[in-house]
Amino acid sequence: TQLLEQSPQFLSIQEGENLTVYCNSSSVFSSLQWYRQEPGEGPVLLVTVVTGGEVKKLKRLTFQFGDARKDSSLHITAAQPGDTGLYLCAGGSNYKLTFGKGTLLTVNP
Amino acid sequence: DSGVTQTPKHLITATGQRVTLRCSPRSGDLSVYWYQQSLDQGLQFLIHYYNGEERAKGNILERFSAQQFPDLHSELNLSSLELGDSALYFCASSSGTGSGANVLTFGAGSRLTVL
Repeated sequence: TQLLEQSPQFLSIQEGENLTVYCNSSSVFSSLQWYRQEPGEGPVLLVTVVTGGEVKKLKRLTFQFGDARKDSSLHITAAQPGDTGLYLCAGGSNYKLTFGKGTLLTVNP
Repeated sequence: DSGVTQTPKHLITATGQRVTLRCSPRSGDLSVYWYQQSLDQGLQFLIHYYNGEERAKGNILERFSAQQFPDLHSELNLSSLELGDSALYFCASSSGTGSGANVLTFGAGSRLTVL
């Protein structure tokens, strides 16, 4: 079974700060996805990374896939209260998509 | 609105009872997936249907069953409910067959509370 471990589990920061959250595994994944889940809603896909070493940017969010395709990171620059939510990484093909338990991010105004 | 509709949004029931959760996928999507989300286990894959056929099973208990109908909506049936079945149940849909890195669109979930 492929497992994804996310760290930190909880993160509370002030508006304007930078942060990085991590997603690690001992298994190789063909692709990794990052989702954000807000209270009362389902996860929403942010990005998919498929190539080792790949870096993708989505406004203030930067996603990186490890060279060995076993890990990924999400860096947020100048966090805003609207970034608050549960950030989930997921790997594998759709019908065997494995999710990490997530990082719960709170950005305080 | 993601386009994936789940009903009911909230459900409170007693141990031993049976409930049915319903999901209508996004228009044009043939695949439906069911996930269970709890605080200790996170999001766990339960089952995947593609165009009416079961394609993959995950950590789904024998007390749980699902089906996808000709109009592509899906139902998840949970029976002999236990306290530990209390969780958020999500349905997701995609246009693909389930292989590769297709995009999953999730519904808003059904929150089940078993008392």
